[in-house]
Amino acid sequence: EMELVESGGGLVQPGRSLRLSCEASGFKFNDYAMHWVRQGPGKGLEWVSGLNWNSASVGYADSVKGRFTISRDNAKNSLYLHLSSLRVDDTAFYYCAKDMGASGFGFDTWGRGTLVTVSS
Amino acid sequence: QSALTQPASVSGSPGQSITIACTGTSSDVGSYKFVSWYQQHPGKAPKLMIYEVSRRPSGISNRFSGSKSGNTASLTISGLQTEDEADYYCCAYAGKSTGVFGGGTKVTVL
Repeated sequence: EMELVESGGGLVQPGRSLRLSCEASGFKFNDYAMHWVRQGPGKGLEWVSGLNWNSASVGYADSVKGRFTISRDNAKNSLYLHLSSLRVDDTAFYYCAKDMGASGFGFDTWGRGTLVTVSS
Repeated sequence: QSALTQPASVSGSPGQSITIACTGTSSDVGSYKFVSWYQQHPGKAPKLMIYEVSRRPSGISNRFSGSKSGNTASLTISGLQTEDEADYYCCAYAGKSTGVFGGGTKVTVL
C-alpha cells in the first residue's frame, strides 16, 4: 500500500525557518514527481511546490518563491520542504502528495499532513 | 498564478446530477490536458476523483465524470448520494512546472 508520512511541523516565530520531511513507502519513489500542497485553517487547498523524479524540473507558487526550497533524496525515499522567512499567512497543514506520473498534476496519494503554525 | 474560479456551493437532492465548473485562463485550464478534481471530507486528506480532465482512477465510481471546454473544466456527479457531501477542488497545470487549485466548492446533499 502506498503511504506518505509528513513530519517536521510545529510552532515557529515569524522570520524563522523550518524543514518538513515526507517519507514514502509502498511504491517506487524515484519513478514519480512529488509535490507539497498546503491548506490554511478553514481555507482551500494551495499548491506550494513540486519537482520531477530527478529534480531537474522544479516549480514554486508565487507566494513562496524565493522563501521555500523543495528537494528529494531518492535513496531515502524522502521529500523535503525547507521553509524560510516564514510569515503568519504560511500557517497551514502541509501535505505531501504523489503525482500519478511525470508531473501530470494528478495527486493520487496524500499524507495526513503536518501543521505549521507561524506566530510570535 | 491566480486561483481557478469555482462556485462556493452547489446543492442537489439524492439521485440528481450536479455540475461544478472550474474556470481558469488560456495559460492553465485552456492550454493543457492536466486538470484534476479532488474530494475532501472534513478533517481528511483530499482524494483524487478525476485526472487528465476526464480519467477516473481505479476505484472511483463512474458517477463522477469530468470534461473541459476552452478555459472551463467541469465535474459532474450523477446519482447524487449522501456520501458525496464534501468539498471539491479542481487543480490545473499552469506551465513551467507549476500548478494552481480552485477555491473549492461545498457540495450539499439536500
